[in-house]
Amino acid sequence: EVQLVESGGGLVQPGGSLRLSCAASGFSFSDYWMSWVRQAPGKGPEWVANINLNGGEQYYVDSVRGRFTISRDNAKKSLYLQMNSLRAEDTAVYSCARVVFRGFDPWGQGTLVTVSS
Amino acid sequence: DIQLTQSPSFLSASVGDRVTITCRASQGINNYLAWYQEKPGKAPKLLIYTASTLQSGVPSRFSGSGSGAEFTLTISSLQPEDFATYYCQQLNSYPVSFGGGTKVEIK
Repeated sequence: EVQLVESGGGLVQPGGSLRLSCAASGFSFSDYWMSWVRQAPGKGPEWVANINLNGGEQYYVDSVRGRFTISRDNAKKSLYLQMNSLRAEDTAVYSCARVVFRGFDPWGQGTLVTVSS
Repeated sequence: DIQLTQSPSFLSASVGDRVTITCRASQGINNYLAWYQEKPGKAPKLLIYTASTLQSGVPSRFSGSGSGAEFTLTISSLQPEDFATYYCQQLNSYPVSFGGGTKVEIK
């Protein structure tokens, strides 16, 4: 079964940092682009970042570029999101997703990041 | 950046109804449009990609159509398990973007 499990969320003060992880299983991780998506409470999904097969290409939404870094470790079948200079508006459930045939499937259940003093 | 506008944002329907949701892009997106279903407390589920291709395991009552900048998701006969929120997504260019969602509720 294809599975994605996120971890690393929590409560952090504005300006702080957090590193999210996504553990993949049930598929050949190194054969797929991967993505991070977030959903603020009561809102729709917002794409955050994509990474290519070997980690050499990354793409970001403007609101996080320069603050967030997406990376991957194919040997560990893991995806990461390093988040720095966090703001209140970054508060959301962050999910990783596998990129397939011009769609995201599956998505993980997500990990909650709350930025508040 | 490409904006996606979904309509309606809310829809009340009965079991057995035919339901259509529209997604309009601010420019052409080469049919790189996906549809997702989201239920409370669950991760979004991919229903359709490249505008009209049904994802494996998705019931055939779901269909997608359209081209250029206007797309539709149709549920031919609404079932109780279909009451959910639906989102469109464009993957033609960065930044990837989502529509605002359509919540389908029981009439």
